[in-house]
Order: sequence, then C-alpha cells, then structure tokens
Amino acid sequence: AQTVTQSQPEMSVQEAETVTLSCTYDTSESDYYLFWYKQPPSRQMILVIRQEAYKQQNATENRFSVNFQKAAKSFSLKISDSQLGDAAMYFCAYYDGGGSNYKLTFGKGTLLTVNP
Amino acid sequence: ETGVTQSPTHLIKTRGQQVTLRCSSQSGHNTVSWYQQALGQGPQFIFQYYREEENGRGNFPPRFSGLQFPNYSSELNVNALELDDSALYLCASSWDYQETQYFGPGTRLLVL
Repeated sequence: AQTVTQSQPEMSVQEAETVTLSCTYDTSESDYYLFWYKQPPSRQMILVIRQEAYKQQNATENRFSVNFQKAAKSFSLKISDSQLGDAAMYFCAYYDGGGSNYKLTFGKGTLLTVNP
Repeated sequence: ETGVTQSPTHLIKTRGQQVTLRCSSQSGHNTVSWYQQALGQGPQFIFQYYREEENGRGNFPPRFSGLQFPNYSSELNVNALELDDSALYLCASSWDYQETQYFGPGTRLLVL
C-alpha cells in the first residue's frame, strides 16, 4: 500500500523568508501524481500545487515550488517570501489511480507558523 | 463557477444515532469522494462515487454508506454512531475520478 510520510510535525518561518516542508512516499508505481494541500484554521483543504511523476520539471505556482526527486521518492515544498496568510497545516498527498484506487493518500501534515 | 459545498457545518449526535452529511460537487464535476479527518491526522479515504455508482472504498465498515444523485451531489450516511466517528468529514469533487480533487469546507461531527 502507498504511504506518505511528513517527518516535520511543526515548522516556523519569519515573514518574508523561505521555508521548505518535507515529504517522502512509498510506491511501486511509475505513473502517479503528488500534491500539496493547505488547510488553514477555516478547515477547507486548498490545493497548493500538483506534480505529475512523468514530468521531470518541478512544478511552480507563484511563491510555491516543489523539489521532486522520483528516485528518492521525495517531494518537498518550498515557500518563498513567506506571508502571514501562509500559516496553516500543510498536507502532502499521493494519487496513482491504478487498480480502482482513485483516492488521495495523505501524510499526517506539517503545521507551519509564520512569525511577523 | 460554484465550488464544493457541504452541509451542515457542525453536528452533534449521541452514540448509536444515525447521521446524514451532504455535499454538492463543483459545477462540471461528476465524481465525489468522502474523507474522514480525525483530530491531528491527515484525511482518510472513505469512498468515492462516480455517476451514481460506488467507485472505490477505503477501510471503513459497512455502517458508512453513501449515495450520489443525478445532479452529482452526494450524501454520506453513518449508522450506529460510535465515539470514534467524531471527526471532520470532507467531501471532494473531480471530473471522471481524475487525480485533482477540490475540497469542500467540511462538516465537523461530534459524537457524545
């Protein structure tokens, strides 16, 4: 079964600085997708960024970028120029859609605090 | 474009009761997935509905059941509630059970 591990339960960053959140996963599939979702105190899970495993180029969305290392099964999220509104729980998630497995598998999350 | 909506926002039930949670998918989406998020944990997949049929199920007992309607909205029903069912229930919609799922705001269920 696929597993997703986020080894940092909590992280903090100063406003305007850069922070990297770590994620590793385990799978025997070669074609899959990885995601970072953000969950602020309002509870709504918001899609931050998505990466297709067959693409070598790392995904970027404005201040958010990923470092996808397929061989190492690592998928970290870098937040540049951190803002107070970035404070939230961040979840890494995996999807492969094979064998009727159309679900997202989530890690336990990393709580990000942004200090002014 | 209308996002995913869920109702109610909060719910308090007692052990042994039954509950129904509702979800309206994002416009244009025909697939709804339900997740349970216990406090301090990541969401866990309950099941998915695609065009009114169950399209995958996680490791949840049969007392968790669901429906999807012709307009692609969905219900999650939980019978014989247990204390451990207290959680945030998240609904997510997508197109043709594709990988990118968009979440609603969730329903917080408390079982006393």
